[in-house]
Amino acid sequence: DSGVTQTPKHLITATGQRVTLRCSPRSGDLSVYWYQQSLDQGLQFLIQYYNGEERAKGNILERFSAQQFPDLHSELNLSSLELGDSALYFCASSVSLAGVETQYFGPGTRLLVL
Amino acid sequence: AQSVTQLGSHVSVSEGALVLLRCNYSSSVPPYLFWYVQYPNQGLQLLLKYTSAATLVKGINGFEAEFKKSETSFHLTKPSAHMSDAAEYFCAVGGLFGNEKLTFGTGTRLTIIP
Repeated sequence: DSGVTQTPKHLITATGQRVTLRCSPRSGDLSVYWYQQSLDQGLQFLIQYYNGEERAKGNILERFSAQQFPDLHSELNLSSLELGDSALYFCASSVSLAGVETQYFGPGTRLLVL
Repeated sequence: AQSVTQLGSHVSVSEGALVLLRCNYSSSVPPYLFWYVQYPNQGLQLLLKYTSAATLVKGINGFEAEFKKSETSFHLTKPSAHMSDAAEYFCAVGGLFGNEKLTFGTGTRLTIIP
């Protein structure tokens, strides 16, 4: 158990809909990262937040947005869903160990868009 | 830009045999390198990381990896494979301070033959 929690575990929805994925980082971790894992794209970085502020952006679609709240949990919002958005979405939080930030991953949310 | 290449999307070894999973990196700055393992229907678990402190890095479950700058490689090995090692393995490279996004390889699925 990494200490990172994600809800829900599974999500089935229809095209055009909007969903929210939630992530609670390990206690004390200030950074939260979101990744998407799909068969055709592999594991891709979406976005990073640090202590409530957006720090880095990756291959995140404009239909997707995220935020980190004062209690450090984060939410990833996916809107106008398309079939191709079906994937496993991971959240990770990081801690500095021996001067190196190390990311610990949650169990993921499996999204199926029908 | 940083990248990693994992040679061999599928590797099969007999139980008790040597496991060797290959990873080559590309980075314009000293890299931070990671190996993660993903068991079926689970999240990513950190196996080990290279932080420039030592070129031979020991991880969990008997795995280790050696950083070779001249070969730009960070191959993962285990002397004797166990059935429980069957999983997908991902090599990843982090940023200058290790706190930026991780760039993952395409993964290697390891099958253990009884």
